[in-house]
Amino acid sequence: DAKTTQPPSMDCAEGRAANLPCNHSTISGNEYVYWYRQIHSQGPQYIIHGLKNNETNEMASLIITEDRKSSTLILPHATLRDTAVYYCIVRGLSYNQGGKLIFGQGTELSVKP
Amino acid sequence: NAGVMQNPRHLVRRRGQEARLRCSPMKGHSHVYWYRQLPEEGLKFMVYLQKENIIDESGMPKERFSAEFPKEGPSILRIQQVVRGDSAAYFCASSLPGDSEFYGYTFGSGTRLTVV
Repeated sequence: DAKTTQPPSMDCAEGRAANLPCNHSTISGNEYVYWYRQIHSQGPQYIIHGLKNNETNEMASLIITEDRKSSTLILPHATLRDTAVYYCIVRGLSYNQGGKLIFGQGTELSVKP
Repeated sequence: NAGVMQNPRHLVRRRGQEARLRCSPMKGHSHVYWYRQLPEEGLKFMVYLQKENIIDESGMPKERFSAEFPKEGPSILRIQQVVRGDSAAYFCASSLPGDSEFYGYTFGSGTRLTVV
């Protein structure tokens, strides 16, 4: 699975959009981009995933560049409860086998009042 | 529909004792993954199991650690002769089988092991 690079930390003002970048320059054609977050001491929580098209759900939007070498997770209106470590993970499918997720260091997002 | 259940939430063991951590996957999930998170560090994959089979144990320490997922009952992560360096949060995740792009990877709340 491809390696990802994220900034170690970011700040965001409450109510503003939080844009979290991720570089995955070695991603291959069948690999998906997944985002998870871990709020302090809790288990990681799935946010969103995508292959090449932009995706949006009730939590966030995922923008993937045309060459797929980078992506941005957007939290449109960050709240204090969005303070967490955000992980960008690239993984290919393992047909009929499932497959592990490999977590990097992630980005520690601090949402400030 | 309960999520992934891990117990106990907190476990204290003296050096040399055994620790047994349990994980009940979500209903219908047959894949289980164990992760360890040392203090101030990231999540490290340990082992991936399906019912009665270990699929990938590349992240398991070579000694003292074992895992099982029997046909009936929860998955168990066993640590024998615990040492202070085993103190960590241990998270379990479960997923559906199949070749979907998204396996319904759901994490439990973790077990915090403290070795004294």
